[in-house]
Amino acid sequence: SAVISQKPSRDICQRGTSLTIQCQVDSQVTMMFWYRQQPGQSLTLIATANQGSEATYESGFVIDKFPISRPNLTFSTLTVSNMSPEDSSIYLCSVDRGTSQYNEQFFGPGTRLTVL
Amino acid sequence: SQQGEEDPQALSIQEGENATMNCSYKTSINNLQWYRQNSGRGLVHLILIRSNEREKHSGRLRVTLDTSKKSSSLLITASRAADTASYFCATTKRGGANSKLTFGKGITLSVRP
Repeated sequence: SAVISQKPSRDICQRGTSLTIQCQVDSQVTMMFWYRQQPGQSLTLIATANQGSEATYESGFVIDKFPISRPNLTFSTLTVSNMSPEDSSIYLCSVDRGTSQYNEQFFGPGTRLTVL
Repeated sequence: SQQGEEDPQALSIQEGENATMNCSYKTSINNLQWYRQNSGRGLVHLILIRSNEREKHSGRLRVTLDTSKKSSSLLITASRAADTASYFCATTKRGGANSKLTFGKGITLSVRP
């Protein structure tokens, strides 16, 4: 498995502000992913973050709203910009270890964001 | 509709009983993974089953995969109150880029002491 930590674990923010969420992994990984889980819903992939290249965003998510950094193979950040109450969600990072198509994917503990 | 649909949506059982949860998906997959989530916290990886596997065991967990029916089941035997959680299946699409997971809607399992 992988040990993944996220900071902060939760936050309450005001509308219009931005929050940066950090994700740290205990070993080097090629691919990191960011997911959003809206209240009572399942998880939706926001973007894939590869070290040394721009993040790849899924349909419905844009870089201006969710800028991502991946400065090295153990760390990534996701910023939720210009927040509105609709951004209230749990944000989770995950990592995929290995290079085969049968890799297990492990998740961090999540960041619970409430926007007022 | 969404890849990875679980049923039932909610399940309530007595401690000691077995819990069976089902997941269906729509596209061809590389693998299917089951996760547990306690009270809106992070996801705990339970088990991965490859597309060329039909059954897999891990402790009290038994997972089956039927690629002809595009479905999987998760069986938890001798359930405990601590098994109370939401359970999600997630698939990786065959031929898809990277290892993007597509999640089902989840099943809420309540185990009564």
